[in-house]
Amino acid sequence: GAVVSQHPSRVICKSGTSVKIECRSLDFQATTMFWYRQFPKQSLMLMATSNEGSKATYEQGVEKDKFLINHASLTLSTLTVTSAHPEDSSFYICSARDLRERGDKYQETQYFGPGTRLLVL
Amino acid sequence: GESVGLHLPTLSVQEGDNSIINCAYSNSASDYFIWYKQESGKGPQFIIDIRSNMDKRQGQRVTVLLNKTVKHLSLQIAATQPGDSAVYFCAEKTDARDMRFGAGTRLTVKP
Repeated sequence: GAVVSQHPSRVICKSGTSVKIECRSLDFQATTMFWYRQFPKQSLMLMATSNEGSKATYEQGVEKDKFLINHASLTLSTLTVTSAHPEDSSFYICSARDLRERGDKYQETQYFGPGTRLLVL
Repeated sequence: GESVGLHLPTLSVQEGDNSIINCAYSNSASDYFIWYKQESGKGPQFIIDIRSNMDKRQGQRVTVLLNKTVKHLSLQIAATQPGDSAVYFCAEKTDARDMRFGAGTRLTVKP
């Protein structure tokens, strides 16, 4: 099946620094990728939808200037947490949408990356 | 309202028993539902999906049931094994809206 990778898998940084997380679709092209955040013992919360070649669409309550998303190619989206603070510590997960033709229709499958654990000290 | 993340309920079963994990969704327009399994420290893994024109779908050891009348989805795992221990999430989607995850249930399998 399709594979989505994330890098780094774990990062520790000081408060005030910026952290970039990469999400790659390894064997398919994804015009749309998604970024989620997951706090301990909670569900995944959609942060933003990343569209190749255009601006990301952010969910209500997510600061676009703090969480910068770039989807410069069909296989790579990046999330940059700017001026990170301890409350930004979380598990960040990306997913990529794979669209395939099935007869006269398209089948959509969303594949998830392994996640990135961010700890801000 | 919308299904949003909440603190996880738990389900504990004996190895070999069947498990039933439930999910209530809120958007009556949702037409595609997916169950994911998430192990600790990992991303969600697809288990099985179902479209709204169906009420039951079976996979290997798993069955998903959909009751659109009461907006309820369930995942049945037959002969539960220790490797099934994980958090299970349902997700709902419409053509007009991207995927939204339910609260999740932590399944613990006792040997």
